[in-house]
Amino acid sequence: KAGVTQTPRYLIKTRGQQVTLSCSPISGHRSVSWYQQTPGQGLQFLFEYFSETQRNKGNFPGRFSGRQFSNSRSEMNVSTLELGDSALYLCASSSEQGQGNEQFFGPGTRLTVL
Amino acid sequence: GDSVTQMEGPVTLSEEAFLTINCTYTATGYPSLFWYVQYPGEGLQLLLKATKADDKGSNKGFEATYRKETTSFHLEKGSVQVSDSAVYFCALSDRAAGNKLTFGGGTRVLVKP
Repeated sequence: KAGVTQTPRYLIKTRGQQVTLSCSPISGHRSVSWYQQTPGQGLQFLFEYFSETQRNKGNFPGRFSGRQFSNSRSEMNVSTLELGDSALYLCASSSEQGQGNEQFFGPGTRLTVL
Repeated sequence: GDSVTQMEGPVTLSEEAFLTINCTYTATGYPSLFWYVQYPGEGLQLLLKATKADDKGSNKGFEATYRKETTSFHLEKGSVQVSDSAVYFCALSDRAAGNKLTFGGGTRVLVKP
């Protein structure tokens, strides 16, 4: 089974631009979560989608948004980029929704904002 | 809210040494607990998990026991190898939060030959 894939792997943008990141979960997985990883703040939860519905959201401004398609693929969008948005964005998929489920992480998209 | 605290690194060890990484948590309910490992340039991989008190998770020689009385989930390995060099993250998921993981800050481990 193919793992979680994320595209692109690397991205360079300038302040004020917007960006869309993509995540393809493991086949059959319906839950997709997004995390931001930075040296200063560590790993922080952005949001989770399950069967095309946002089930949970972290404490990020409205510039961060996401969606999930009927094939479970997910995208996240960041508008009006700021320097502080530079980070590794990780996507994770799971077969179920609920406590204790194993989540499988992709390799991440490294976003640099100049 | 939920939080996870783990010892700061880096932890530098010689091959075959004993490794312990401390992890404590705060949660309102009865969380599930996890250890994830991140190798350079890669995403996170689940190392082990425990879903209820006194459960012991184990994998690849690593072990951790869910201690509700001390709200801890310390990671241990009896004899580390150079290939164990990585960043280790302790995490929890709360019943009310679905698949959301709350992570500790990570502990970098460097094993020297």
